[in-house]
Amino acid sequence: TQLLEQSPQFLSIQEGENLTVYCNSSSVFSSLQWYRQEPGEGPVLLVTVVTGGEVKKLKRLTFQFGDARKDSSLHITAAQPGDTGLYLCAGRIQGAQKLVFGQGTRLTINP
Amino acid sequence: GAGVSQSPSNKVTEKGKDVELRCDPISGHTALYWYRQSLGQGLEFLIYFQGNSAPDKSGLPSDRFSAERTGGSVSTLTIQRTQQEDSAVYLCASSLWSSHRGGEQYFGPGTRLTVT
Repeated sequence: TQLLEQSPQFLSIQEGENLTVYCNSSSVFSSLQWYRQEPGEGPVLLVTVVTGGEVKKLKRLTFQFGDARKDSSLHITAAQPGDTGLYLCAGRIQGAQKLVFGQGTRLTINP
Repeated sequence: GAGVSQSPSNKVTEKGKDVELRCDPISGHTALYWYRQSLGQGLEFLIYFQGNSAPDKSGLPSDRFSAERTGGSVSTLTIQRTQQEDSAVYLCASSLWSSHRGGEQYFGPGTRLTVT
């Protein structure tokens, strides 16, 4: 059983379209982080959200943490080929230090 | 500044051999984590260090796996009597301190281990 369910696992869209990636859990997280990973490299931190209902924007990327701190979403506006990559959500369960990861979303933006 | 570094970047070993993987965290980061990334399994936690102590070893898959950290800095992950199912990318991450609410973890490039 996956503690953090990430969807979709694969997404291929055209340049200029919008998309949303979801991470859902029945567990409460003290914080949730989104990473992007390129082939042959380690995950690179994009953002951390810590407060229920929090919304953070990073250029065309919008991250939201659910009010109950059990879920999160990543929305990309006007996707570009440079957005192609593996996106990972990771949550810190309250009282623990480790991160639990979603299965990842492999995103392909076609020119 | 320098990020998390790991060595070697690639390691091919024969089944039954022992391997050591090294991690150099970001300077000043007191918390260090090891994760494993394999196809179909995603990223899974192995062990966490705060300073030189390992309060959480719950992710180590068997007693063939061990890790240590010295001087509050470099960490070594050792796999004894490697098996083919140990083939994966081993990732190290560090954070400024573990008790911080956000606890952002910064990852190294990983070591790709292949057991033949």
